[in-house]
Amino acid sequence: DIQMTQSPSSVSASVGDRVTIACRASQDISDWLAWYQQKAGKAPKFLIYAASTLQNGVPSRFSGSGSGTDFTLTISSVQPEDFATYYCQQANSFPPTFGQGTRLEIK
Amino acid sequence: QVQLQESGPGLVKPSETLSLTCTVSGDSMRSSYWSWIRQPPGKRLEWIGFISYSGSTNYSPSLKSRITISIDTSKNQFSLDLDSVTAADTAVYYCARRAPEVGYYFDYWGQGILLTVSS
Repeated sequence: DIQMTQSPSSVSASVGDRVTIACRASQDISDWLAWYQQKAGKAPKFLIYAASTLQNGVPSRFSGSGSGTDFTLTISSVQPEDFATYYCQQANSFPPTFGQGTRLEIK
Repeated sequence: QVQLQESGPGLVKPSETLSLTCTVSGDSMRSSYWSWIRQPPGKRLEWIGFISYSGSTNYSPSLKSRITISIDTSKNQFSLDLDSVTAADTAVYYCARRAPEVGYYFDYWGQGILLTVSS
């Protein structure tokens, strides 16, 4: 299985800050990467796929980049509703695997 | 609007079989593949397996010996059976749709159902 590792495990930010979350794959996955947002007690929300393509309806303050093994999710100006846990997921090969999550907390 | 809803018991005894059902509305089950994903408390998401409209399946190697996913297209439902459960199977179980035509990502999810394995 491809292992997905996110960093940091948690990050503190204030409203308006720029935040970047990293995700590393244990082998080359090209751009077969998605990002999800999960709030406490809720199902994950699909944000980005193909490393950088925003799902319909996702605010443009979210962006994704990277290819190969290293990827980033950036929130350009954090809003109150963005405080949540973020997961990356590789779709290059079966089984699909997820990172351990990065918790975005209010500073 | 696509909606998925899990149903099943919240509590299962060790060594028994877990059975969950996902009901899909707002979409034809022909449109995509349908997955089960779980999340143990405080841990990362784990993909369990998928089924297509035609009934073809693909299972996680780590769970393959214990799981069966089936589909009932007449009811717009698909189901998960997990045999010989242990405490390690305690998790929130989600059903999800593969995002059509863009790759093996998950664009719609059910709200999740907490399954506890305990005697």
